[in-house]
Amino acid sequence: AQSVTQLGSHVSVSEGALVLLRCNYSSSVPPYLFWYVQYPNQGLQLLLKYTSAATLVKGINGFEAEFKKSETSFHLTKPSAHMSDAAEYFCAVSDQDQGAQKLVFGQGTRLTINP
Amino acid sequence: EPEVTQTPSHQVTQMGQEVILRCVPISNHLYFYWYRQILGQKVEFLVSFYNNEISEKSEIFDDQFSVERPDGSNFTLKIRSTKLEDSAMYFCASSEGQGSNTIYFGEGSWLTVV
Repeated sequence: AQSVTQLGSHVSVSEGALVLLRCNYSSSVPPYLFWYVQYPNQGLQLLLKYTSAATLVKGINGFEAEFKKSETSFHLTKPSAHMSDAAEYFCAVSDQDQGAQKLVFGQGTRLTINP
Repeated sequence: EPEVTQTPSHQVTQMGQEVILRCVPISNHLYFYWYRQILGQKVEFLVSFYNNEISEKSEIFDDQFSVERPDGSNFTLKIRSTKLEDSAMYFCASSEGQGSNTIYFGEGSWLTVV
């Protein structure tokens, strides 16, 4: 079985500061890893995904995440936070990349940006 | 950009009533999904659907739930006899099944059972 743990249900940073959202996964097979973002009153939008091609994955809006197998982690970072980054962020894992995917989500981290 | 659309955005129903949540997946996608998120809890997989049949379902997806693709564009989730614990945000999603195979989610349908 696969699982995801996101450390910190709420993270608050100042505008311009580094954003670090933590995600650890558990998987008995090589994982495919995802970060989704949910802005208020909107659906889940894919930020980036890891599919074993490269351990450092760049996504939209300046976000990136690094897959570290030894640490079973896939933390999300952004060098400089912007007010528009305020949202809820979900890390997810899947055991396949093609066909019907079943995503297993973490509990989410709500990111607040302070002016 | 193409998007998954869901209706209704919010529905209040009485316990024991049937509810149908509707979704229009992205037109060239072949795989369809329903997920749900109970308030304060994780987003959970319910079911995946391909080629007019269920490809996988979770233990949550019991006999009270059913999915259907009644025509070439809609994908529906039916809850036969709603319970209080069915109150949740229900997300429809779709993917191509190959290539980047990104799963695109709709904005969700918030179901409140009273």
